[in-house]
Amino acid sequence: NAGVTQTPKFRILKIGQSMTLQCTQDMNHNYMYWYRQDPGMGLKLIYYSVGAGITDKGEVPNGYNVSRSTTEDFPLRLELAAPSQTSVYFCASSGQGIANYGYTFGSGTRLTVV
Amino acid sequence: GIQVEQSPPDLILQEGANSTLRCNFSDSVNNLQWFHQNPWGQLINLFYIPSGTKQNGRLSATTVATERYSLLYISSSQTTDSGVYFCAVEGDSGGSNYKLTFGKGTLLTVNP
Repeated sequence: NAGVTQTPKFRILKIGQSMTLQCTQDMNHNYMYWYRQDPGMGLKLIYYSVGAGITDKGEVPNGYNVSRSTTEDFPLRLELAAPSQTSVYFCASSGQGIANYGYTFGSGTRLTVV
Repeated sequence: GIQVEQSPPDLILQEGANSTLRCNFSDSVNNLQWFHQNPWGQLINLFYIPSGTKQNGRLSATTVATERYSLLYISSSQTTDSGVYFCAVEGDSGGSNYKLTFGKGTLLTVNP
């Protein structure tokens, strides 16, 4: 049982380039999330999804896009990378039912835009 | 949106000491979770505790929803407890998508 898998773990982008951060979970969770963590700060929600085909904006969605074609996958797309997007990105999932509300996080992607 | 404040921001302990971390939130919540981020960056869920008290080994947590705060207790601390502890909540605004708002965390350092 792998939980939540994120790839890549590290990436350096040049300003204006694009990339996709991959996130896959094998727990059959309906809810998936993308957060970013800046130094000394808590996590801020970028986008979330409550099931396949349904996505919605979080607190800081500008410069990002998502899709959710399957229950397992929730990729995050960065278009026209900017230095302000330098951060650590975490994907998470949670299930329904009181035993499953707790988040499971991936190991993170450290992104640097230069 | 809902505000989450954690205290203290930093805490240094000797191994074996006990500690209490506090989380205050500005509105009623239907979801509150505590996380530990280890020095390698991995985030681990410790408790789902929108109200009441739970215990897991040396860790326990209490949420007093009516007074809008939660406490995380660490007893007999070990060096492996070092890292950042986050409190995260979802406001009770009707419906739930389990979206969490995070505090800035408490950085705990446990020295041998």
